[in-house]
Amino acid sequence: EADIYQTPRYLVIGTGKKITLECSQTMGHDKMYWYQQDPGMELHLIHYSYGVNSTEKGDLSSESTVSRIRTEHFPLTLESARPSHTSQYLCASSAGGVSYEQYFGPGTRLTVT
Amino acid sequence: KNQVEQSPQSLIILEGKNCTLQCNYTVSPFSNLRWYKQDTGRGPVSLTIMTFSENTKSNGRYTATLDADTKQSSLHITASQLSDSASYICVVSDRGSTLGRLYFGRGTQLTVWP
Repeated sequence: EADIYQTPRYLVIGTGKKITLECSQTMGHDKMYWYQQDPGMELHLIHYSYGVNSTEKGDLSSESTVSRIRTEHFPLTLESARPSHTSQYLCASSAGGVSYEQYFGPGTRLTVT
Repeated sequence: KNQVEQSPQSLIILEGKNCTLQCNYTVSPFSNLRWYKQDTGRGPVSLTIMTFSENTKSNGRYTATLDADTKQSSLHITASQLSDSASYICVVSDRGSTLGRLYFGRGTQLTVWP
């Protein structure tokens, strides 16, 4: 079991609310990632980070933002949630680039009503 | 366009039976191919990772094969168990940048019945 944690696991929230999805890892990995996954569909990369103070947008456009102030922490924030944001959000980390294993957290299932 | 296609989309087998899942990809330049198992409501967990020079790799009852020439991979599960019920995702990475890029298939949903 990988040492990467996500909270909350499930979140139901109303439209217009600000939310922050937490992701933490204790493996000392420099690289961290956020993916979005809809049922029966592939994972889409929405944000990634090479290390502290580094954040980049992924392949799928997202209205969310991320920050990386500490190596172990990579939170994702939605300033104003909308029903279109309903999805599963998965956080991952790795020690290096694509030659290295990516370890995934358990995910946060977000429902915006 | 780099893509990863998996088949079948879903599969139902009886406990104790074997099965094989397929993955075709067009990702180039190729770096490695991984198979992940994703239980419902959980994050993916790595089963195997293979580089260009490897054509087979086993992890317990899971055996993955890779044919880099035809850009095909398979995941064979032997003596299936109820706990094998999950989505199996094929992921291919390229080596076109420092970080590299992962391309995910949509997964094969496997259900094992008693």
